Amino acid sequence: ILNVEQSPQSLHVQEGDSTNFTCSFPSSNFYALHWYRWETAKSPEALFVMTLNGDEKKKGRISATLNTKEGYSYLYIKGSQPEDSATYLCAFAPYNFNKFYFGSGTKLNVKP
Amino acid sequence: DTGVSQDPRHKITKRGQNVTFRCDPISEHNRLYWYRQTLGQGPEFLTYFQNEAQLEKSRLLSDRFSAERPKGSFSTLEIQRTEQGDSAMYLCASSLEGGLAGRNEQFFGPGTRLTVL
Repeated sequence: ILNVEQSPQSLHVQEGDSTNFTCSFPSSNFYALHWYRWETAKSPEALFVMTLNGDEKKKGRISATLNTKEGYSYLYIKGSQPEDSATYLCAFAPYNFNKFYFGSGTKLNVKP
Repeated sequence: DTGVSQDPRHKITKRGQNVTFRCDPISEHNRLYWYRQTLGQGPEFLTYFQNEAQLEKSRLLSDRFSAERPKGSFSTLEIQRTEQGDSAMYLCASSLEGGLAGRNEQFFGPGTRLTVL
């Protein structure tokens, strides 16, 4: 069983605050790292697929970085808005395993 | 709507009953995955299909669980003789894979929440 950890488990911020979460994964046998956003009663929605060490990806106010040598990825949200409230999941895809290993998620609550 | 759909969205059953869930993937996707998520945990892999062939099953999938994907289109997940420990969110995902999987996005359905009383 591959261990994928996310921290913090939950986060409460005020509207306008910037925040970041961490996903830790095994540094060996890396193939890809996925970030998903999951709002209550909806389907998990893909944010980023990251494959190369040093990758930085951005979508609007959300960005992510990847360090495959040390086995971590950061997700940043700049100027959080109430609509950013969701659970953010990372999923590690090891080489030749044909499946994802998910972390337990970071639940973000942004107060207006 | 061209996304992944799951039916039902919620299911409440009594211990010992059988339940069946359905997943309709995105039509051109050849891979279909089932995951289970329990409270406080991330989704855990259960099984996946490449077209109609079930290629891998997790040891989480006891003999009471069976999944099918006839004709490589929709999939069903059946749980026989449900137990309270089966209460969870069951998620389905699909993807289009040309070879080694893992770098293509998996598209998820909204899940079926099962409660076993």
